[in-house]
Amino acid sequence: KAGVTQTPRYLIKTRGQQVTLSCSPISGHRSVSWYQQTPGQGLQFLFEYFSETQRNKGNFPGRFSGRQFSNSRSEMNVSTLELGDSALYLCASRPSTVLTDTQYFGPGTRLTVL
Amino acid sequence: DQQVKQNSPSLSVQEGRISILNCDYTNSMFDYFLWYKKYPAEGPTFLISISSIKDKNEDGRFTVFLNKSAKHLSLHIVPSQPGDSAVYFCAAKNAGNMLTFGGGTRLMVKP
Repeated sequence: KAGVTQTPRYLIKTRGQQVTLSCSPISGHRSVSWYQQTPGQGLQFLFEYFSETQRNKGNFPGRFSGRQFSNSRSEMNVSTLELGDSALYLCASRPSTVLTDTQYFGPGTRLTVL
Repeated sequence: DQQVKQNSPSLSVQEGRISILNCDYTNSMFDYFLWYKKYPAEGPTFLISISSIKDKNEDGRFTVFLNKSAKHLSLHIVPSQPGDSAVYFCAAKNAGNMLTFGGGTRLMVKP
């Protein structure tokens, strides 16, 4: 099976712009989660989608939003970019939302905000 | 408030010896624990997990130990190999199913 894929792998934007990141989960996986990794804060949970519905949301401002399509692919949007949004954005998929289901991560999208 | 902590930012071990990575948590509602390995410019790779009803889980060279009373988790790698050099994250889940990660420990295995 192909792994989790994320596009683009690298992005450079300027403050005030908006950005959309894409994630294709492993085939058959219906849950997609997004995480932000920064040197100072580590890996932080953004949100999780299952069957096109947001199930969980982390402690991030409303500028961070997401959605999931019927084929389980997910997009994450960040509006009005700030310098502090520079980070590695990771997407993870799993078959369902059972506690013991393991999340498998994609390679991430490296976002740089200038 | 960091609910999952990895107090050692780095660890250096000789090839062939044991690597022990530690993790502490504060939330007693965590039910499931995982270890991930991460290389630069890649996403974390799942290594091993353990349910809160167990105290040990083994998979090849990797063993995870859970001490619920101490709210402490550890990952043992025996024997350590240079290819094990990476950043290791412990993570915990509660019934809400969100993964909460520790800050990571950089393991360096010297040949």
